[in-house]
Amino acid sequence: LAKTTQPISMDSYEGQEVNITCSHNNIATNDYITWYQQFPSQGPRFIIQGYKTKVTNEVASLFIPADRKSSTLSLPRVSLSDTAVYYCLVGGYNTDKLIFGTGTRLQVFP
Amino acid sequence: GAVVSQHPSWVICKSGTSVKIECRSLDFQATTMFWYRQFPKQSLMLMATSNEGSKATYEQGVEKDKFLINHASLTLSTLTVTSAHPEDSSFYICSARLTRGGVSNQPQHFGDGTRLSIL
Repeated sequence: LAKTTQPISMDSYEGQEVNITCSHNNIATNDYITWYQQFPSQGPRFIIQGYKTKVTNEVASLFIPADRKSSTLSLPRVSLSDTAVYYCLVGGYNTDKLIFGTGTRLQVFP
Repeated sequence: GAVVSQHPSWVICKSGTSVKIECRSLDFQATTMFWYRQFPKQSLMLMATSNEGSKATYEQGVEKDKFLINHASLTLSTLTVTSAHPEDSSFYICSARLTRGGVSNQPQHFGDGTRLSIL
């Protein structure tokens, strides 16, 4: 299972774009990259998933370079409610098991 | 979207009692569910993989006799913490993923967790 590395914490202000980068140097050919958000005392919530290039949904974008050894979660115009821990995970098409890393604690200030 | 429900959300009990936590996939079938525990300010730690109709697979260091897992149907897995002690107090979270034909690129969906406090 690919190990992921993320910054432990990040600070931002309301209205700014936040980019969180995750390294996964040992990603396998059939691994997908998935990002989750977790608030205190809640389970992780799915944000976005991708395999390569760029994926965008209503809440975020995910950028994956050609070598797939890293990925960047982009949150446009964050608000105070985006203060949470963000986890990057990699998992294979046939591999259900997800191993969580440290995550990135994002603090958004007014 | 896919919803995973956990029950109860919060439980307090005396040391030595057993506690059962339920995890249900509400709008999809899941042949595999997962159980995690999370201590304050820490990440989620995978405890075991719950397989419908067969024995659970436990991660290294997790006592299978302590944490009993039953996955009796495609929508329900239960975790029983037997003879719970204060050190078992934690936040327990389950997850499940829609699986078709044994393969899936669908993301895992998580329950909202169960806060277990052992006095």
